[in-house]
Amino acid sequence: EMQLLQSGGGLVQSGGSLRLSCVASGFTFSTTWMAWVRQAPGKGLEFVTNTNVDESQKAYLDSVKGRFTISRDNAKNSLYLQMNDLRDEDTAVYYCARDPAYAAYDVWGQGVMVTVS
Amino acid sequence: DVVLTQSPLSLSVTLGQPASISCRSSQSLVHSDGNTHLHWFQQRPGQSPRRLIYRVSNRDSGVPDRFSGSGSGTDFTLKINRVEAEDVGVYYCLYGPNWPNWPTFGQGTKVDI
Repeated sequence: EMQLLQSGGGLVQSGGSLRLSCVASGFTFSTTWMAWVRQAPGKGLEFVTNTNVDESQKAYLDSVKGRFTISRDNAKNSLYLQMNDLRDEDTAVYYCARDPAYAAYDVWGQGVMVTVS
Repeated sequence: DVVLTQSPLSLSVTLGQPASISCRSSQSLVHSDGNTHLHWFQQRPGQSPRRLIYRVSNRDSGVPDRFSGSGSGTDFTLKINRVEAEDVGVYYCLYGPNWPNWPTFGQGTKVDI
């Protein structure tokens, strides 16, 4: 069974940093694009960032460019999101997702809450 | 940039009755490869999203056949044939463009009984 297990959420002050992790199992992580999607309290889903298999292609939501960095360690089947200079509007549940092609996210993590205050 | 507009934003349905959600795009979603990368997701209360339909009309394994997707160009529809209690949640359409453009979600449609 394909699974994504997330960790790293929490409460952080404005301007602070946080690193999210996502460990994959049940599929060949090193051959799959991956993404982070977030959901502010009571709001809809919003794409944050994605990466291809070797990190040579990455896209970022405009509002997080220069502050967030997506990375991956294929040897550890792990995806990361380094979030710096956090703002109140970054408060959300963050999901990692497997992207088999063109955002057809077929596997989602359980989500972790990030609260910036 | 592509904008996806879902309607209605809220839908109250009687058990056993059909439901239909529209997703309209600000521009054609037909890709240069001939495919249309428009997908549908369900998010039940307190749960992570789950993909139901990919590339307009392909139902995922394990998704009941009462769910169907259709459409082309700029107009797409998710239909639930006979709504069941477990279908309560929020439904999103999502467009997946070429990199470096980023994917766009619709606003979501809340379905309740």
